[in-house]
Amino acid sequence: KQEVTQIPAALSVPEGENLVLNCSFTDSAIYNLQWFRQDPGKGLTSLLLIQSSQREQTSGRLNASLDKSSGRSTLYIAASQPGDSATYLCAVRQGETSGSRLTFGEGTQLTVNP
Amino acid sequence: KAGVTQTPRYLIKTRGQQVTLSCSPISGHRSVSWYQQTPGQGLQFLFEYFSETQRNKGNFPGRFSGRQFSNSRSEMNVSTLELGDSALYLCASSSSGSGTTEAFFGQGTRLTVV
Repeated sequence: KQEVTQIPAALSVPEGENLVLNCSFTDSAIYNLQWFRQDPGKGLTSLLLIQSSQREQTSGRLNASLDKSSGRSTLYIAASQPGDSATYLCAVRQGETSGSRLTFGEGTQLTVNP
Repeated sequence: KAGVTQTPRYLIKTRGQQVTLSCSPISGHRSVSWYQQTPGQGLQFLFEYFSETQRNKGNFPGRFSGRQFSNSRSEMNVSTLELGDSALYLCASSSSGSGTTEAFFGQGTRLTVV
């Protein structure tokens, strides 16, 4: 059974700081890994999707890496801003028989202080 | 292009009642998945529908059911509501439902059972 863990559970940083969020998974047989952002009481916004054959993806100030063999992914946020405050979730998709089913971590709650 | 639309946004129901939630996926997407999010359990997979067929099912009691229509819209039904069913219910759509596709989420339906 796939298990996804995110460390740290919460993080508070001053504005402008670069930061790294971590995600680990127990079963390396994944199709892809997706990072999401969730604002309080809202749905999930997709940030980055990394296919199992890729090592990293970038979007603006965000960079996500994937090391499938070691079961790890990191989300790097450059020059953090107060608007980045949210909960960040990583999710993995298993093999073809799992269809679109995602297994989520518990999330990292990020607070960026002005 | 419209995103994933969930209705209603908020619901208050009494124990023992039943409820139906609706999800309209992104146009052209054929896969719809449902998730339950609670503070204690995080995001848990309920089920996935693809081309009107349930393709995957999570570990939830039979009180939770769903269906998908020919236009890919999906409904989720919970019968005999319990207090523990209070949660944010999220719907995700994917284009083909294959392992490589990206998931897009709606804003969710907040269900409160009293």
